[in-house]
This record gives sequence, structure tokens and C-alpha cells, in this order.
Amino acid sequence: NAGVTQTPKFQVLKTGQSMTLQCAQDMNHEYMSWYRQDPGMGLRLIHYSVGAGITDQGEVPNGYNVSRSTTEDFPLRLLSAAPSQTSVYFCASSLAGSTDTQYFGPGTRLTVL
Amino acid sequence: RKEVEQDPGPFNVPEGATVAFNCTYSNSASQSFFWYRQDCRKEPKLLMSVYSSGNEDGRFTAQLNRASQYISLLIRDSKLSDSATYLCVVRISSGSARQLTFGSGTQLTVLP
Repeated sequence: NAGVTQTPKFQVLKTGQSMTLQCAQDMNHEYMSWYRQDPGMGLRLIHYSVGAGITDQGEVPNGYNVSRSTTEDFPLRLLSAAPSQTSVYFCASSLAGSTDTQYFGPGTRLTVL
Repeated sequence: RKEVEQDPGPFNVPEGATVAFNCTYSNSASQSFFWYRQDCRKEPKLLMSVYSSGNEDGRFTAQLNRASQYISLLIRDSKLSDSATYLCVVRISSGSARQLTFGSGTQLTVLP
């Protein structure tokens, strides 16, 4: 199993550009989520999904969209990048009904100029 | 006030030392508690869950005090490989969501 994979590992954008961060898992996990991590802030939940076709907002959803058309994939779209979105983005998955162990991908480091 | 607060450190300790980290949470409806470990520029990984009766995993001991809304992690006989950031994590259930709230982490460096 590859676990949780994320692409790209690094990305530099200009203000106003859009892009999609990819996340995939091969563990048949129902629950997937996106976090951003900023210095001194801890991980903050952006969006999450409890299963294919179901998504919901987390703590900091503004400026981001998600969709969940399959169990495996959970892409995060930045609609119009802003410097405030410079961060490290982590995708995570977990098995519904589990003890909440979250399996994280390796992260995407995004810089918005 | 942050929902989960941790002393950011850094804690610099010699190899073999015992070190303790503390964490407080503000929501009394919190149901589950965890410690995650994050190595530099890597993803967080679950270190251990924290149970009401306290639990131990080798050199690591976790304690929960619900009355004081306080969680602790004790590391005995520190190793160089324990150097990392330790994240305190709390779960509050709301409907179908199982949202985790992360503390900002405590940085530990174990010195030779």
C-alpha cells in the first residue's frame, strides 16, 4: 500500500492563479480531510469528507473547494491564490468507526507570491 | 483562547533524561485525546491515544485529567531519535463529523 499520496510536493504560484492539490489513498478509508499548517498555529481543518459524494467545511474553508467523486481521491482546489494561502497542506484519511487514527500524506509546500 | 494549548518549547534535554509535556483543552465536550509526533518537514504520525486511566507504551506515558482538562506526555530515557515536535490532539464529535483539533506543538531536541 502506498498509503496517502499528495502531489505536487512543492508549488509556487502567483497571486490570482488557480491550482489543484491532489490527494489519493489506497486504504479504502471513508473519511478524508485537508489541513493547512502554519507556524505557531497548529494544523487547521479546511474541508473534510465522510464518504464519496459528501463534503463539508472545516475551520478555514474560504478560498478553497473540494470534491469527492471516488473513495480514493480528494482534490483541493485553490480558486484564486492569495499570499495568505502560503502554507504547508496535508491531506489525511481515516477509517470510519476507527479510533480516529489519521494517516497523513507527506504534504505540499505552497508559496503564493 | 486557543482550543488546545501547548507550551511551544523548545525543550532541549540530554540523552537519557525524562521530559514531560503538558496540554490543556478548552472544550469540556472533548471525547478523545491523542499525541502525534511530527518530524521536521514531515507529516504528523500518531504516537499514542490517551485513555482516562492513563496508558503507557514503552518509554512513553500519557495521562488525562478530565476535571482539569489537561493531558500530559512523559518520555523516559530520552533518545536522540525522540527529537521531534509533539502535537496534542483532541476530538469533538458533531453529527457525522469527527473533527480533530490540533495544538501547535511542543518542540523537543534530545542532545548527545
